[in-house]
Amino acid sequence: DIHMTQSPSSLSASVGDRVTITCRASQTINNYLNWYQQKPGKAPKLLIYAASSLQSGVPSRFSGSRSGTDFTLTITSLQPEDFATYYCQQSYSAPPRAFGQGTKVEIK
Amino acid sequence: QVQLQQSGPGLVKPSQTLSLTCAISGDSVSRNTAAWNWIRQSPSRGLEWLGRTYYTSKWYNDSAISVKSRITINPDTSKNHFSLQLSSVTPEDTAVYYCARESGGHFNAYDIWGQGTMVTVSS
Repeated sequence: DIHMTQSPSSLSASVGDRVTITCRASQTINNYLNWYQQKPGKAPKLLIYAASSLQSGVPSRFSGSRSGTDFTLTITSLQPEDFATYYCQQSYSAPPRAFGQGTKVEIK
Repeated sequence: QVQLQQSGPGLVKPSQTLSLTCAISGDSVSRNTAAWNWIRQSPSRGLEWLGRTYYTSKWYNDSAISVKSRITINPDTSKNHFSLQLSSVTPEDTAVYYCARESGGHFNAYDIWGQGTMVTVSS
């Protein structure tokens, strides 16, 4: 199975900050990497698919990139509604398609 | 717009069968570019994929090795929904259960999710 290592597990940031979350795959997954946002008591919400494609309705301050097996989610100018937990997930292999452990973005 | 609506009990006794249903609106359970998944989340296991059903000329099912002997996922085309049954549950199965659509047009991402059902296994 392909394993996903996400970092950091948590971070503190202020409104307006630029935030970067990384995810490393244990083997090649091409661009089959997705990012989700989850708020307390809610289901995860797809933000980015195919490493860098923005899901419909998601603000453009969210972006994704890839370098080999390393993937990055960037939030430029963090907004109050962005405080949440973020997960990466690979969708390259046959199931199970692992999620990362999550990154909790908290208010500094 | 596509929506998934989950239903089922929030409390199940140990050794019994957990049963949940996910009703689909705005899409079809038999569309051949989508798969219909069950995923659960707990503090100890994080987000854990359980299984899926999908149609491409015929029906297929996949399931996680950890629950393979206990899980049944069934589509119902007449009601346009799919269901999860997990037998012989233990307290380890306590989690929030989600249904989710896997979209081929989104690189197999889970683009639509149900609202979640908190299931507690307790006597």
